Amino acid sequence: EDQVTQSPEALRLQEGESSSLNCSYTVSGLRGLFWYRQDPGKGPEFLFTLYSAGEEKEKERLKATLTKKESFLHITAPKPEDSATYLCAVQGPGGYNKLIFGAGTRLAVHP
Amino acid sequence: DGGITQSPKYLFRKEGQNVTLSCEQNLNHDAMYWYRQDPGQGLRLIYYSQIVNDFQKGDIAEGYSVSREKKESFPLTVTSAQKNPTAFYLCASSARQRQQTNYGYTFGSGTRLTVV
Repeated sequence: EDQVTQSPEALRLQEGESSSLNCSYTVSGLRGLFWYRQDPGKGPEFLFTLYSAGEEKEKERLKATLTKKESFLHITAPKPEDSATYLCAVQGPGGYNKLIFGAGTRLAVHP
Repeated sequence: DGGITQSPKYLFRKEGQNVTLSCEQNLNHDAMYWYRQDPGQGLRLIYYSQIVNDFQKGDIAEGYSVSREKKESFPLTVTSAQKNPTAFYLCASSARQRQQTNYGYTFGSGTRLTVV
């Protein structure tokens, strides 16, 4: 069964303290792995798509990497405005664009 | 600007009442989805539609119904048969597989439904 597990569930960082969020997945035939940011009471916003092992994408303080079994979202020198829930999702080989989501990591960055 | 509009933002349902959540998109996307989000759980798929006048059950369809009469619209009805409807509901859309962009889904801003 296709599955996505994110860890940790919650992470508290001091401003400037770099860290990584993990997304482990099992899917037969990965077509894409997606990272989204979700602020409280709002819909998820797209961050990155990764398609193959070894691929990396960067945006400001965020960098996403992908292996055959997991993806990491690295946050370098975070700021309080980076506080949000980060969701990971995978897309398998199904006949439609179904995404399977993890439960997310709640990140809190304190000044 | 293109996007997805969900309304209302907050909705209160009485016991035994059916309520309908609205979802409209102007992205010209063929596929639309409804997800339910509960604290500590991942998004769970309720229904999806790949084309007009066609829709399929997702993982937790019991107690919900949908229609897809127009490409732009995919309303979700929460019926009285749904025993635990209090949750955050998200609508999303995507291009067809062959036209896949690299964004996966575009999401609406959500509707928070509470049973009173």
